[in-house]
Amino acid sequence: AQSVTQLGSHVSVSEGALVLLRCNYSSSVPPYLFWYVQYPNQGLQLLLKYTSAATLVKGINGFEAEFKKSETSFHLTKPSAHMSDAAEYFCAVSDPYDYKLSFGAGTTVTVRA
Amino acid sequence: GAGVSQSPSNKVTEKGKDVELRCDPISGHTALYWYRQSLGQGLEFLIYFQGNSAPDKSGLPSDRFSAERTGGSVSTLTIQRTQQEDSAVYLCASSREQGGATTGELFFGEGSRLTVL
Repeated sequence: AQSVTQLGSHVSVSEGALVLLRCNYSSSVPPYLFWYVQYPNQGLQLLLKYTSAATLVKGINGFEAEFKKSETSFHLTKPSAHMSDAAEYFCAVSDPYDYKLSFGAGTTVTVRA
Repeated sequence: GAGVSQSPSNKVTEKGKDVELRCDPISGHTALYWYRQSLGQGLEFLIYFQGNSAPDKSGLPSDRFSAERTGGSVSTLTIQRTQQEDSAVYLCASSREQGGATTGELFFGEGSRLTVL
């Protein structure tokens, strides 16, 4: 079975500062990994995904994530935070041969002016 | 419609009542999921529909929960004899499938917030 752990339920950053959201996974097979974002009063939307191609994955809105097998991690970063990045972020994992995504508990990002 | 549509957006009910939550997926998406989001917790998988295949009901927490999908499109999640612990946001998502495995790109609705008093 696959699972993910997101370290930190809440992250606060200053506008222009680095955003780093941590995700570690557990999987018995090479996983597919995803980051989703949920803006206030909206549904979740896909930020980026890793499906065994390049280990550094670029997504929308300047976010990227790096798959590190040795660390079983898939941390999400953005070099310079913007006020519009305030949202809840979810890491998710899937078995490539399955259709179910297992989601982490989420990390809420607030951006200080 | 352009996106996944869920109704009602908010539902307040009394303990013991039945509720129905509706999901209208994106046209042409063959896969449909229901997840539950509770405060401070991640998304909990409930049920999955794919085309005409038997649904995967492995995530339904009790026999009070059931779901159907009519004509491969609209889905209804029914909770009978609601309990306070059923209070949560119920999210529906749809997806295009490729070769039987997920693309991982689920399109979510805004959810139905259920409050059981």
